[in-house]
Amino acid sequence: AQSVSQHNHHVILSEAASLELGCNYSYGGTVNLFWYVQYPGQHLQLLLKYFSGDPLVKGIKGFEAEFIKSKFSFNLRKPSVQWSDTAEYFCAVNRYGTGTASKLTFGTGTRLQVTL
Amino acid sequence: DGGITQSPKYLFRKEGQNVTLSCEQNLNHDAMYWYRQDPGQGLRLIYYSQIVNDFQKGDIAEGYSVSREKKESFPLTVTSAQKNPTAFYLCASSRDSPDGYTFGSGTRLTVV
Repeated sequence: AQSVSQHNHHVILSEAASLELGCNYSYGGTVNLFWYVQYPGQHLQLLLKYFSGDPLVKGIKGFEAEFIKSKFSFNLRKPSVQWSDTAEYFCAVNRYGTGTASKLTFGTGTRLQVTL
Repeated sequence: DGGITQSPKYLFRKEGQNVTLSCEQNLNHDAMYWYRQDPGQGLRLIYYSQIVNDFQKGDIAEGYSVSREKKESFPLTVTSAQKNPTAFYLCASSRDSPDGYTFGSGTRLTVV
């Protein structure tokens, strides 16, 4: 079965520190990859996505992620976090071209806390 | 503005009662989904529907039921058979393509 692993459950960083959140998936075929963010009390929002092409994708608010196919990874990065980045971050994977409804499998999430 | 509306935002029910959570979208999306979010467990798929009058079980369908009589609506019923119903429930929709989802704001169900 397809699974998504986020090994960092809770990360605490000071403002201006660099961020990298890990995401690994188990499916061996072609995948679409996503990072979602859930700010306190708000909807889940799409941060960035990868379908094909350049494995380094840029999203909103200065976030980027790199797809490394050989490592089955899609790690999220930001060079300098802000207090407003405090949120929960979810990695998600979808099998490409299944001909069925797009079903995303989510990781367990990483809670990021940025301190002033 | 197009989006997904989930209601109510908070719901309290007594143990043993069935309860229905509403999800409506005006995005003209074909597919709709119900996820359950629990601390430390991420989002787990309950049911999903590709088209009207068709739906499939997700990973944790036991104790839940759905209907899809209209494209815009995908209500979820939490039955008394669900052993641990207290959770945050998220509805989402997508176009019929491997694209991302649009999420609703969620319903927090507490069973006492």
